[in-house]
Amino acid sequence: QKEVEQNSGPLSVPEGAIASLNCTYSDRGSQSFFWYRQYSGKSPELIMSIYSNGDKEDGRFTAQLNKASQYVSLLIRDSQPSDSATYLCAVKWGNEKLTFGTGTRLTIIP
Amino acid sequence: GAVVSQHPSRVICKSGTSVKIECRSLDFQATTMFWYRQFPKKSLMLMATSNEGSKATYEQGVEKDKFLINHASLTLSTLTVTSAHPEDSSFYICSARDGTGWRGSYNEQFFGPGTRLTVL
Repeated sequence: QKEVEQNSGPLSVPEGAIASLNCTYSDRGSQSFFWYRQYSGKSPELIMSIYSNGDKEDGRFTAQLNKASQYVSLLIRDSQPSDSATYLCAVKWGNEKLTFGTGTRLTIIP
Repeated sequence: GAVVSQHPSRVICKSGTSVKIECRSLDFQATTMFWYRQFPKKSLMLMATSNEGSKATYEQGVEKDKFLINHASLTLSTLTVTSAHPEDSSFYICSARDGTGWRGSYNEQFFGPGTRLTVL
């Protein structure tokens, strides 16, 4: 059973600070990793994808992947109230379907 | 970015009726589309994977005769909830994968806005 684990939160972060979201996965054969943002009542929106070890930066977002530790994280710099949402980690094995974590609810406090 | 649309966005129906939900990829060819269901405060649950021109692959526990999926073209997939009952009330979301890979990655899935189904 391939599993993706996330802390459900809620995670509260002051505006302007760095929000750090974490995700672990069970299968070492995992190849593709994604972070989605989901606002309440809306569908998920792809924020970042990462495929190799290390950091990948896109604007205020940085994804970090450590395959040896089976760990992927998302950092949000200069957090804004509009970043308040549920963040879903998703992992893909080969050409198979995505497996989603249960999501971390993030609240940015003005 | 890649755009996926869904129609309708919201539907309310009586128990026993059938409801059809459309999912369209607007600016790319989607060789594979996925149908998810999400209950309040829960994560997405994959219902089925649909490849253009072939039968859908259903996840364990999903009734294929109740949730009919058709993927007749590279830009359109439909989910029909047959004989809907109140327990089918949920948020149904489709996603699509760019089969050509021209967006830089074959792996990324793009989600439609979702359809909220309420069965009375």
